[in-house]
Amino acid sequence: AQSVSQHNHHVILSEAASLELGCNYSYGGTVNLFWYVQYPGQHLQLLLKYFSGDPLVKGIKGFEAEFIKSKFSFNLRKPSVQWSDTAEYFCAVSSSGTYKYIFGTGTRLKVLA
Amino acid sequence: GAVVSQHPSRVICKSGTSVKIECRSLDFQATTMFWYRQFPKQSLMLMATSNEGSKATYEQGVEKDKFLINHASLTLSTLTVTSAHPEDSSFYICSAYGGNQNEQFFGPGTRLTVL
Repeated sequence: AQSVSQHNHHVILSEAASLELGCNYSYGGTVNLFWYVQYPGQHLQLLLKYFSGDPLVKGIKGFEAEFIKSKFSFNLRKPSVQWSDTAEYFCAVSSSGTYKYIFGTGTRLKVLA
Repeated sequence: GAVVSQHPSRVICKSGTSVKIECRSLDFQATTMFWYRQFPKQSLMLMATSNEGSKATYEQGVEKDKFLINHASLTLSTLTVTSAHPEDSSFYICSAYGGNQNEQFFGPGTRLTVL
């Protein structure tokens, strides 16, 4: 069965620190990969997605993610976080053609001003 | 991006009553809609997948008689929580997928509180 793991459940950083959130999945076929952000009290917003092509994907708000197929990973990065990045981040995976998502457990990021 | 709305955004009801939540795709036709449940500080758990004009497909462990899903048109799906109990209190989120879009678009969610 497909599964998605986000190993960092809670992350606390100071402003300007670099961020990397891990996401690993288990699935043998072709996948589509997503990172979503959920700000407090708000709905899910898409940060970035990967379907094919360049494994380094750039998203909104300065985020990027790298798909490493051999490691079944799709880690999210940002070189310098801001207080406004405080939110919960979800990795999601779907097998190509189904669009049914499996979500990771989420990572709660707190950025200290 | 495509817009998905949900109504109501919050609902408080008494135990034993039924609650209907609407999910609409505002600017595209959604062939498939998904319903999720999110408990506090937890991830989204897929409850069911609904395709326009056909019966919903429920995930394992989700009671189809308790969570009635209707997808009568390409822009509207409804989730009815029947005979709600306090343990049904949660955040319910829908998403929509349309043929020209290759991702799901999420609604803002509905917070259900059952007293």
